Amino acid sequence: EAGVAQSPRYKIIEKRQSVAFWCNPISGHATLYWYQQILGQGPKLLIQFQNNGVVDDSQLPKDRFSAERLKGVDSTLKIQPAKLEDSAVYLCASSSSGREGNTEAFFGQGTRLTVV
Amino acid sequence: AQSVTQLDSQVPVFEEAPVELRCNYSSSVSVYLFWYVQYPNQGLQLLLKYLSGSTLVKGINGFEAEFNKSQTSFHLRKPSVHISDTAEYFCAVTPTSGTYKYIFGTGTRLKVLA
Repeated sequence: EAGVAQSPRYKIIEKRQSVAFWCNPISGHATLYWYQQILGQGPKLLIQFQNNGVVDDSQLPKDRFSAERLKGVDSTLKIQPAKLEDSAVYLCASSSSGREGNTEAFFGQGTRLTVV
Repeated sequence: AQSVTQLDSQVPVFEEAPVELRCNYSSSVSVYLFWYVQYPNQGLQLLLKYLSGSTLVKGINGFEAEFNKSQTSFHLRKPSVHISDTAEYFCAVTPTSGTYKYIFGTGTRLKVLA
């Protein structure tokens, strides 16, 4: 079974530029998550999708961050314009949310963003 | 709402010694509990999980954890660590009902010394 795919693995941009990250979840997983992991901290949930609908985006800085999940499969997270404090690893995860007895989230390798 | 506390940010331990990484949680509803491991430049990998039943759960790589409902704890243990266990360990919870939402602690960096 293929895992969660993310690209790119690394990205360096200047502040005020825009950037986009892509995620392909495990096939059949209805729930998709984007987490932000700042160095030395635990992952913080930015946005959660159930199929192509948003379940929770309460911690997403909506003035600069946006995300979409078209057709309930792939997802894109965008930052525009980026700030220095956005430097972090952006993790995508997916879950079947209890179906077939699965309860855990499966994570991709992440995209490490450096804003200079 | 749920929260997870990992009081130890770093735990140094000598190779072949036992280790315990502490995790406490707070929740007004029933939760499932997880431990994930993160190696450098990698995503998170599931070590073990507690759903129900026996409070002692065993995971991969010789790790185990014990759920204590009265103390709202889920501490991770390994009787003998290896150099390869050096990594960041995260405790997480999710409510048992509704769409799962995983809340993570701040992590504990385990450093195994030769």
